[in-house]
Amino acid sequence: GAVVSQHPSWVICKSGTSVKIECRSLDFQATTMFWYRQFPKQSLMLMATSNEGSKATYEQGVEKDKFLINHASLTLSTLTVTSAHPEDSSFYICSAGGQVPGQPQHFGDGTRLSIL
Amino acid sequence: GDSVTQMEGPVTLSEEAFLTINCTYTATGYPSLFWYVQYPGEGLQLLLKATKADDKGSNKGFEATYRKETTSFHLEKGSVQVSDSAVYFCALSDYTGNQFYFGTGTSLTVIP
Repeated sequence: GAVVSQHPSWVICKSGTSVKIECRSLDFQATTMFWYRQFPKQSLMLMATSNEGSKATYEQGVEKDKFLINHASLTLSTLTVTSAHPEDSSFYICSAGGQVPGQPQHFGDGTRLSIL
Repeated sequence: GDSVTQMEGPVTLSEEAFLTINCTYTATGYPSLFWYVQYPGEGLQLLLKATKADDKGSNKGFEATYRKETTSFHLEKGSVQVSDSAVYFCALSDYTGNQFYFGTGTSLTVIP
């Protein structure tokens, strides 16, 4: 069964709205989670590393004020897209796990965000 | 730094054909290697993994062998089905487990 749960799976909202996406680790505690963005027919682009109890680490070129990440517990990380605009429309995927040699990352089912 | 190079797609095969998707890597030390599969509109699912040289990962008829001498982890399946149509990602985690690197993905379409 799924070990990482992501919610919602699909969001459609108006431009200017803020949208929150949740990522939960179900079977284990995750001090670190990852947020990816995926454009159609392209690979995953790592946006940020979410660290429990501390600030997220953002990849170069990712606006931290636009994509707010909170990792308040060992099983939950949230990504909030603030004042979303059509160019923020994308498929967002979270993952957790790894961090130990040989252990895979486990992915959520992704959230399709459509901004009108 | 560490990296993964994956065969360009898209790949189109007839049902029951043999599949190979090439993946090579560059890494320091002894990385772990993974194949993930992504069906349309979904997240990535772990397909198989190998954590040391000469290990063979296998699942659902797919296989890949960790070849240190050629720094490769090619994905193979003897007879593909329409339901195997998806995007396949090769991935590497470094010897610490702290860094993950993904290939660009290979889209596979299997036609009846």
